[in-house]
Amino acid sequence: EVQLAESGGGLVQPGGSLRLSCAASGFTFSNYAMSWVRQSPGTGLEWVSSISGSGAGTNYADSVKGRFTISRDHSENSLYLQMNRLRVEDTAVYYCTKELAMTGTYFEYWGQGTLVTVSS
Amino acid sequence: EILMTQSPATLSVSPGERATLSCRASQSVSSNLAWYQQKGGQAPRLLMYGASTRATGLPARFSGSGSGTEFTLTISSLQSEDFAVYYCQQYHNWPLTFGGGTKVEIK
Repeated sequence: EVQLAESGGGLVQPGGSLRLSCAASGFTFSNYAMSWVRQSPGTGLEWVSSISGSGAGTNYADSVKGRFTISRDHSENSLYLQMNRLRVEDTAVYYCTKELAMTGTYFEYWGQGTLVTVSS
Repeated sequence: EILMTQSPATLSVSPGERATLSCRASQSVSSNLAWYQQKGGQAPRLLMYGASTRATGLPARFSGSGSGTEFTLTISSLQSEDFAVYYCQQYHNWPLTFGGGTKVEIK
């Protein structure tokens, strides 16, 4: 059974940093692209970033490019999102998702999400 | 960026009735379209991909159609567990983009 468990969310001041983690299990982690998708309170879904199975390829939404970094550790079966220079508008539930073998597709499985609140 | 527009924003349907949800892309996405269902306080769940392929375990009352710029998700006979918000998503081009959602509520 595929399981994705996010952690690392919390309250942070504007301009601050936070690192989200996602522990993956139930599949061969290195074979699949992974992504982060976020949802601001009461609103719709926004793709944030994707990383290929090997980790060599990454993509970012313009809204986070240059501030967020996606990475993965195959020895830990974990996905990460380093978020720097956080803004109020980054406040959202962040979901870890599993894609198909190649990146840039649809989100086959979702974690339960972790809430990031950016506020002074 | 490909803009995805869903209509209507809210759909009021009685249990047992048919629900038809629409999703329009600002440019062709071929059949690179997925649908998701989200219930209150839960993560989204993949329903459909390739515009018309049901995800594993999805009941046959759900069907998807369309290609290019116009897509439809149909629920043939609404069950109580189907009342939720539905999102479409294109994966034809970067950035990956979602529609704004259609809330299916009990009439």
